[in-house]
Amino acid sequence: GAGVSQSPRYKVAKRGQDVALRCDPISGHVSLFWYQQALGQGPEFLTYFQNEAQLDKSGLPSDRFFAERPEGSVSTLKIQRTQQEDSAVYLCASSLAWGQDYGYTFGSGTRLTVV
Amino acid sequence: SQQGEEDPQALSIQEGENATMNCSYKTSINNLQWYRQNSGRGLVHLILIRSNEREKHSGRLRVTLDTSKKSSSLLITASRAADTASYFCATNRGNNRLAFGKGNQVVVIP
Repeated sequence: GAGVSQSPRYKVAKRGQDVALRCDPISGHVSLFWYQQALGQGPEFLTYFQNEAQLDKSGLPSDRFFAERPEGSVSTLKIQRTQQEDSAVYLCASSLAWGQDYGYTFGSGTRLTVV
Repeated sequence: SQQGEEDPQALSIQEGENATMNCSYKTSINNLQWYRQNSGRGLVHLILIRSNEREKHSGRLRVTLDTSKKSSSLLITASRAADTASYFCATNRGNNRLAFGKGNQVVVIP
């Protein structure tokens, strides 16, 4: 597609429920990133993939968060046993290549509300 | 702590005026990027400036970078109502983790 696609756009989960958020990056983009954005704040880094390899997951807030990109394209961010503090917008971004001189293309995000 | 922190101000300007916002950071960087975010949408990449560059232009945007002061500014000239958005600076220290500031809300009044 022309841009980064995320689904669902909105997700309401009951506390304790597991959720899965999907990201379709731009075709051919090697790098894929997940960010978490709380209301009124800037995005916070969660994890980074280069192709199918998860090179950095140091931003994941707890072991309830898990991300994968098995074929180096679509990525899924899974949150187990959701808690109210997980409520945020989850943004996915992709970049053409590894390297520092590329801007990122962001999706519109998934707004997760845990009730 | 976050790299990239904008002056935490909300700007409200008339259409046609210029809008300037600033960003400061704490450690050395490889590049600094500015993004725009409209309400309820994802971030849009505006401009990237490398650490060895001092100024860069893109259309109505002008970005400056002062590495000695660890600061950057974004100027939007001849603002339009469509420029109403939040603007974020983000620093890249070469580890593929962009560190974002809290954002600067700009409202352009038609």
